[in-house]
Amino acid sequence: DQQVKQNSPSLSVQEGRISILNCDYTNSMFDYFLWYKKYPAEGPTFLISISSIKDKNEDGRFTVFLNKSAKHLSLHIVPSQPGDSAVYFCAASLISSGSARQLTFGSGTQLTVLP
Amino acid sequence: AAGVIQSPRHLIKEKRETATLKCYPIPRHDTVYWYQQGPGQDPQFLISFYEKMQSDKGSIPDRFSAQQFSDYHSELNMSSLELGDSALYFCASSLDTGELFFGEGSRLTVL
Repeated sequence: DQQVKQNSPSLSVQEGRISILNCDYTNSMFDYFLWYKKYPAEGPTFLISISSIKDKNEDGRFTVFLNKSAKHLSLHIVPSQPGDSAVYFCAASLISSGSARQLTFGSGTQLTVLP
Repeated sequence: AAGVIQSPRHLIKEKRETATLKCYPIPRHDTVYWYQQGPGQDPQFLISFYEKMQSDKGSIPDRFSAQQFSDYHSELNMSSLELGDSALYFCASSLDTGELFFGEGSRLTVL
């Protein structure tokens, strides 16, 4: 049973428009959420995060929204650029033993930004 | 800036052989994580170490073991390899409860 779900395996957006990537989770104990971006043959790269005490975090073109009651978060990219084309993973975490954070990943959404 | 270093980047093994993957975390990071990403799948957490001690365990098979050494590098040992072990293995490191920084991964192919 997947605790973190990204229901859209792919998304295509025109350059300059907004990209919205969605993520749902089931475990209400998650207290920290992250978005990672992954290019082929590379490891995931941290993009932006949000704590469960917030509902919005913004960093340049990237904004993450968290709706705890709906157990839903989304990543907005405005404006989208061709270089944003990659697989985007949503991840959730909770404090586990020894101060280590275990991430639970969604299955990823392939974003393609068309020039 | 220094990143997480993984070696080897590619590894080909036969069934029932043994493989060892190495991970060198970002300097001063105290936590190392191992993730396995099979073809078309999301990364699955295997195991983590905090200050050289195992801190959490995920879906790591009994055939696998890992440890973190005094210099904070970590090794993932995989024995009796099976075809299903073919995957991309990511190591990540973090400081305290900060964000995880991933290496570029080690691709294991089991023939």
